[in-house]
Amino acid sequence: AQSVTQPDIHITVSEGASLELRCNYSYGATPYLFWYVQSPGQGLQLLLKYFSGDTLVQGIKGFEAEFKRSQSSFNLRKPSVHWSDAAEYFCAVLNNNDMRFGAGTRLTVKP
Amino acid sequence: DAGVIQSPRHEVTEMGQEVTLRCKPISGHNSLFWYRQTMMRGLELLIYFNNNVPIDDSGMPEDRFSAKMPNASFSTLKIQPSEPRDSAVYFCASQDTNQPQHFGDGTRLSIL
Repeated sequence: AQSVTQPDIHITVSEGASLELRCNYSYGATPYLFWYVQSPGQGLQLLLKYFSGDTLVQGIKGFEAEFKRSQSSFNLRKPSVHWSDAAEYFCAVLNNNDMRFGAGTRLTVKP
Repeated sequence: DAGVIQSPRHEVTEMGQEVTLRCKPISGHNSLFWYRQTMMRGLELLIYFNNNVPIDDSGMPEDRFSAKMPNASFSTLKIQPSEPRDSAVYFCASQDTNQPQHFGDGTRLSIL
């Protein structure tokens, strides 16, 4: 069955530290891959997307993600986290026009 | 581009009342989705439409919930009668074929 897994429910990092949020998917072929961010009281906002080509994709707000086919992963990274990055992050995959979301990872940023 | 527009942003009503949530998708998008988000259950897909036709409503919790899409630019999600356990944030999203979904800002619904 198709699935998207975000292993970490909640992550806490210090401001200025680096960040990596994990995402794994289970699909027969390489789907299209996305990361969304949801700030409190807001809807989901698209951070970045991977369709094909360069496996390292850049997004908004200084985020990047790397597609690793061998690991079926699409982890989200940021070199230096800002307090305003505190939010919920969702990984999503799109295959044959069927979009599935992970359960989300809540990021807390310590001063 | 105005994005996906949902109304109202907040709704507070007493149990037993009818609630209607509205959504205007992005022009040109051919799919529309209704989600419910709660702390306990996270983001749940309720129903989605493709070219105004309901494709999958298996996520609709019970018969009190209904959704319509009378045309490509408007959809409603109705709860009748409403119950306190329906309290949640309801999101609408729209999508073009094989493109990511775009979300509205949601309707925060509180049933007293």
